[in-house]
Amino acid sequence: EPEVTQTPSHQVTQMGQEVILRCVPISNHLYFYWYRQILGQKVEFLVSFYNNEISEKSEIFDDQFSVERPDGSNFTLKIRSTKLEDSAMYFCASKIGEGPLHFGNGTRLTVT
Amino acid sequence: GENVEQHPSTLSVQEGDSAVIKCTYSDSASNYFPWYKQELGKRPQLIIDIRSNVGEKKDQRIAVTLNKTAKHFSLHITETQPEDSAVYFCAASVPGRRALTFGSGTRLQVQP
Repeated sequence: EPEVTQTPSHQVTQMGQEVILRCVPISNHLYFYWYRQILGQKVEFLVSFYNNEISEKSEIFDDQFSVERPDGSNFTLKIRSTKLEDSAMYFCASKIGEGPLHFGNGTRLTVT
Repeated sequence: GENVEQHPSTLSVQEGDSAVIKCTYSDSASNYFPWYKQELGKRPQLIIDIRSNVGEKKDQRIAVTLNKTAKHFSLHITETQPEDSAVYFCAASVPGRRALTFGSGTRLQVQP
């Protein structure tokens, strides 16, 4: 069964540094998402992406965040200047139309 | 925006007993209600979903019921097994706004 793949699985960075989290959605999916989950808390929506543009974003997705689909397969989340409170598990997800949402295994981001 | 409330936050049952987790949603336009199971350190995985044109859906030991009038939906797990132990999240989405809003999660512990 095809899967959403994310790299790296764990990223440690210093406060103020930029990080890029990478995702390869399932190949025939059209809608792409980033969610985050702070340890022990619920899954929170960050941004959705469709037709090469952001279709929706939450209050969490402020100016320090950006997303990009640089080619036909990758989908990236960039955090420009990381803060301690950005430490979380970041999940990429994708779906085809009205089908179910498929999550990747996540990237655990630790900001020190 | 949509708000999803989930309870209980923790649930402990004996193996073989049934478990019920309940969620309420705020936006009457929501029409899609999935349930995800998340094991420790892993990604959320879809276990069952229901759309607003259906009142109940069953898949082996798992069933979901939806009451559109009351704006609540429930997950029922029968004949629980230790491997059912995990955190379960409900979610909801409205047409056009394709992002899921998650509940806060229920930690289910099945005691052998």
